[in-house]
Amino acid sequence: EAGVTQFPSHSVIEKGQTVTLRCDPISGHDNLYWYRRVMGKEIKFLLHFVKESKQDESGMPNNRFLAERTGGTYSTLKVQPAELEDSGVYFCASSPSPPASGYTFGSGTRLTVV
Amino acid sequence: SQQGEEDPQALSIQEGENATMNCSYKTSINNLQWYRQNSGRGLVHLILIRSNEREKHSGRLRVTLDTSKKSSSLLITASRAADTASYFCATAPGSNDYKLSFGAGTTVTVRA
Repeated sequence: EAGVTQFPSHSVIEKGQTVTLRCDPISGHDNLYWYRRVMGKEIKFLLHFVKESKQDESGMPNNRFLAERTGGTYSTLKVQPAELEDSGVYFCASSPSPPASGYTFGSGTRLTVV
Repeated sequence: SQQGEEDPQALSIQEGENATMNCSYKTSINNLQWYRQNSGRGLVHLILIRSNEREKHSGRLRVTLDTSKKSSSLLITASRAADTASYFCATAPGSNDYKLSFGAGTTVTVRA
């Protein structure tokens, strides 16, 4: 089966610009998660979708971040306007319900804000 | 603060040797998972151990879990150059809470 796909793999933008990251989960996985790793620190949870609904968005850092999952399929994470501290690797993961055997992560999007 | 903390932060071993890394966590968990990240790649799920399990094996991997000490260990036996990667433990808090809490990871370098 196809894995979790993230696009783009790399993005370099200027401070103040907007960037949209996309994640295509494994087909049939109701659960979709966004995580990020900033500056070599620990990987932190951003939010969790169950189908098209936001189950938990407690990790979203501020209102410059907007995640959507229209139709319960792919998801987008928009950062507007981007700040320097947003640089890092953004991971998407998906799982069935319940996630009995772990989560499948994508390769991540490396975002650099200059 | 982070839930899982790995120890050591970095580990360098010779090919064929065993590598052991530890993870400590703070709150109760439903399960604990180990992931590997090769340079520039995504996270790969290695093994999941539930809170009522004490030891689990998968190929050259052996994971232990001590819930009384809130700690877990990952042992990689007969290491290979391809095992060079960062290893992360992640805890899942409850059966209905799927949010994972990760540690900062252990970087393992296997020298040929």
